[in-house]
Amino acid sequence: DTAVSQTPKYLVTQMGNDKSIKCEQNLGHDTMYWYKQDSKKFLKIMFSYNNKELIINETVPNRFSPKSPDKAHLNLHINSLELGDSAVYFCASSRTGTYGYTFGSGTRLTVV
Amino acid sequence: GESVGLHLPTLSVQEGDNSIINCAYSNSASDYFIWYKQESGKGPQFIIDIRSNMDKRQGQRVTVLLNKTVKHLSLQIAATQPGDSAVYFCAENGPANFNKFYFGSGTKLNVKP
Repeated sequence: DTAVSQTPKYLVTQMGNDKSIKCEQNLGHDTMYWYKQDSKKFLKIMFSYNNKELIINETVPNRFSPKSPDKAHLNLHINSLELGDSAVYFCASSRTGTYGYTFGSGTRLTVV
Repeated sequence: GESVGLHLPTLSVQEGDNSIINCAYSNSASDYFIWYKQESGKGPQFIIDIRSNMDKRQGQRVTVLLNKTVKHLSLQIAATQPGDSAVYFCAENGPANFNKFYFGSGTKLNVKP
């Protein structure tokens, strides 16, 4: 199926751990994003990569490090996890010259 | 940063009725808007978009209205169905931020059978 796929769908981990979330799209898009959705459903952009180049980097703690090995993949690594990192993280992609995103189904991160 | 907000956090409607979800935005320079639908456990899904040079756009059972004078956006859903139950977001994109959207806080639509 053509889609934006994220793994894992659920992630429960202890404070202080390091974890990664992976994202892949097979839509042929050249731009990928990470958004964070908090408990009140507010969606906020974190990062964006275009053809493996970082183009958007919002005010995000440097414990969060995105990595894009190619334009079909954008991973998110989080160091020293904190309780406040608990949220749903969405990956999305788009094609240059078009508006709007295709979102993945999200990764629910719970830090305990 | 820009602020995109919704007047009603929760809206309950009877099946078959029309629904109206409202959104206020703060950046008068924003030139493109999208409504997204997010069902439980899923990512946001594109519903309909509108450019700032338009004031109305219609899709299948949905209509988006844009009032630039008061910086207001609305989504109208005709003959609301149980499958329309979801959280709805408006998102705006400024002219200098082609790939960067700011999302509102969302309105939860409950459709009662």
